[in-house]
Amino acid sequence: DAGVIQSPRHEVTEMGQEVTLRCKPISGHNSLFWYRQTMMRGLELLIYFNNNVPIDDSGMPEDRFSAKMPNASFSTLKIQPSEPRDSAVYFCASKQATNSYEQYFGPGTRLTVT
Amino acid sequence: GENVEQHPSTLSVQEGDSAVIKCTYSDSASNYFPWYKQELGKGPQLIIDIRSNVGEKKDQRIAVTLNKTAKHFSLHITETQPEDSAVYFCAASNNAGNMLTFGGGTRLMVKP
Repeated sequence: DAGVIQSPRHEVTEMGQEVTLRCKPISGHNSLFWYRQTMMRGLELLIYFNNNVPIDDSGMPEDRFSAKMPNASFSTLKIQPSEPRDSAVYFCASKQATNSYEQYFGPGTRLTVT
Repeated sequence: GENVEQHPSTLSVQEGDSAVIKCTYSDSASNYFPWYKQELGKGPQLIIDIRSNVGEKKDQRIAVTLNKTAKHFSLHITETQPEDSAVYFCAASNNAGNMLTFGGGTRLMVKP
């Protein structure tokens, strides 16, 4: 079975541009998580969904960040407008909502905002 | 909220030696403690986890111990190999593995 799929793997954009990161969770998993990883702040949870519904978005840094999960097999994280301090690696993870505590991470998207 | 501290930040061992990484947490309600291994350019990979109803768990060369009273847990790797070289993260959760709070990471280097 394929793991968590993220695209693009690398994104370079200019300040002020809109950025959209994409994630396909593992089939059968109904919880999805977005994380950001930086040297300064480590791994931080931004938002998570259960059954396509956002449950906790307290980690979303600003209104410039938004996330959606229109169906069980797809989620997006959008940054608009992007700023240089948004440069980081963004990870998506998924797990089964019930009877499992294990989160499985995707390969990440390395975002560079110049 | 939860705070997880991890030590040491870097650890260098000789191949065949043991490595121990320690974490402390602040929220006494936390009940799930996973450990992740992250190789360069890859996402974190779960290597072992423990729930608060047990004090120790072992999987081949890897073991995790949990002391709920002291609120700390540790990762033990025996007979280290060069392929064990990576960054290791501990984490804690108090809601069924959803809201994970990560430690700062330990860069483990195993010298052949």
